[in-house]
Order: sequence, then structure tokens, then C-alpha cells
Amino acid sequence: SQTIHQWPATLVQPVGSPLSLECTVEGTSNPNLYWYRQAAGRGLQLLFYSVGIGQISSEVPQNLSASRPQDRQFILSSKKLLLSDSGFYLCAWSVQGINEQFFGPGTRLTVL
Amino acid sequence: KQEVTQIPAALSVPEGENLVLNCSFTDSAIYNLQWFRQDPGKGLTSLLLIQSSQREQTSGRLNASLDKSSGRSTLYIAASQPGDSATYLCAVTGRALTFGSGTRLQVQP
Repeated sequence: SQTIHQWPATLVQPVGSPLSLECTVEGTSNPNLYWYRQAAGRGLQLLFYSVGIGQISSEVPQNLSASRPQDRQFILSSKKLLLSDSGFYLCAWSVQGINEQFFGPGTRLTVL
Repeated sequence: KQEVTQIPAALSVPEGENLVLNCSFTDSAIYNLQWFRQDPGKGLTSLLLIQSSQREQTSGRLNASLDKSSGRSTLYIAASQPGDSATYLCAVTGRALTFGSGTRLQVQP
């Protein structure tokens, strides 16, 4: 069966510090991968999606970037965090060509 | 641009009641619609997926319907239980998922 992991589960970082969140998927090959952010009082917003290694599409301009160095690994990064980057970050995967998405447990990021 | 709206934003019911959660979307050109459950501080759990060619899907006490032409979906929960308490999110798929803001459900024992 397929599983999706995210780490860390929680993170508290000062403004201006770098960020690296990791997501890995097990039990499937060549998945579509997604990063979402859920800010307090707001719905989920798609940040990035990837259909393959090194292929990243950005949905909104922002202070974040994403990379996919391996087939089942998706990394969300920032060089300098802003207060507005605080939120709950969710990674998701889907089978290529099928739209049902499955989500990881999330990372709670607090920028102080 | 696709917009998804969920009504009500919050709902509190006594245990055993049947209830309906509503979801509406502005662009009917969707591939499918997915209902999720989110417990506080947790990720999303997929409940039901309805393909655009389908009218409804059922899983246990859950039944979801889809009316593409009117841009609406409903999630029906039969015989609600305290364990059903969570936030329920609907999302429609174009290129990626567009989410509603959710309905926060509290089932009182």
C-alpha cells in the first residue's frame, strides 16, 4: 500500500531563516506531487505541483520554492522566511492521469 | 477562476441525526469532486471521489452526490456519531484541486 510522509511535524523558525520541508511517498512510482498551504482561517491553497523529477509548476508567486530531486521526494524551501509564511503545509500525491489525491500528515510552521 | 463554497461553515448536531453538508462550485468543467475529512492539526483523509460522469458515491454511512450542471455537491452523513466530529472539505479538480473553506461539524453525544 502507498504511504506518504512529511517531516518535521512541527517547526518554529525566526524571520529571515531558511526552510526545508520534506515529503516522501512509498509504494508507488512516478506520482504527481503537490504542496499546499493552509493558513489560519483560510482554505487550502495549492503552491506547487510536479509531474516528474525536476518538473515543478508554481501556482502563485511567493517566497517559497520547490524541488523534486527523486521520483518520490518533494521538497519545499525558502531562503528567508517571512511572518506570512506561517501555516500548515500539506503534501499530497496522486497517480498520473487520475485525479484523486492523498494527503500527508502535514507540517505546522510558525515563523516568529 | 474556480471558486468553491461550503455551507454551513459550522454545524452542531446531537448524536444520531442525519445531516447534509453542501458544496457549490462556479465552473462546471471539472474532472471530479472529492470530499475530505480533516481532524484538528492533522492532514486530510479522502472520504469519497465522484467522477464528473457520476451522480453519486457511497461509502458506509456517507453518500455524496454531484450535479455538475448546477455546480453542486452534497455530502450526506447518516446516523451521525461523535467520532464524525471534524472539518469536512470538498474540492473540485481542474488541473489541481480547488478547495472550499470547509464545514466544521460537531456531533454532541
